[in-house]
Amino acid sequence: QEQLVESGGGLVKPGGSLRVSCAASGFSFSDYYMSWVRQAPGKGLEWLSYISGDATTIYYADSVRGRFTISRDNARNSLFLQMTRLRAEDTAVYYCARTPVLLTVSLDHWGQGTLVTVSS
Amino acid sequence: EIVLTQSPGTLSLSPGERATLSCRASQSVSSSYLAWYQQKPGQAPRLIIYGASSRVPGIPDRFSGSESGTDFTLTISRLEPEDFAVYYCQQYDSSHPALTFGGGTKVEIK
Repeated sequence: QEQLVESGGGLVKPGGSLRVSCAASGFSFSDYYMSWVRQAPGKGLEWLSYISGDATTIYYADSVRGRFTISRDNARNSLFLQMTRLRAEDTAVYYCARTPVLLTVSLDHWGQGTLVTVSS
Repeated sequence: EIVLTQSPGTLSLSPGERATLSCRASQSVSSSYLAWYQQKPGQAPRLIIYGASSRVPGIPDRFSGSESGTDFTLTISRLEPEDFAVYYCQQYDSSHPALTFGGGTKVEIK
């Protein structure tokens, strides 16, 4: 069955960088758009970015454009989010999610999330 | 940018009661692009409704979605203990490619 497993979270200082990863299995990874979504402690969901199956289409939320970069490696069934110039307000659980776009645009499978803490 | 406003923020109900959750969009949203998610404490969100009214396979039929103009509704006909959770609506704006979420409605046991 479809599975997404995030990794790479941790503690990073303000201004620092971190890359989180998402390993996909159980479906044809290259056929799907993929997204990153985050959730600050006790807060709601915030979509950050998505990338098409062939990586030719990429969009970002205004809050992270220019600081975060989404990428994927279809040979390794992996999705990445490179985060730079991190701020305290970037502290959150980061989820990857499969993003069907044919009849609708939603997030039909999610990973368990990886916690990123930005603090000195 | 389309803003989704969910109400109420918290809904206090008893098992067996009907829950009606609202999601209002600040401008027109294609029903094809409106989805609902359920999130329980410590868990990732789970897609339950897509296309405003289509249930994900495996989701009980007590969950239903509807729309009226810019107002979208998630109804849980008879609450089961496992339905107490936070629910989020989400839309996709094809003119300004982005997904946005509402602020969520917490359904708690009264």
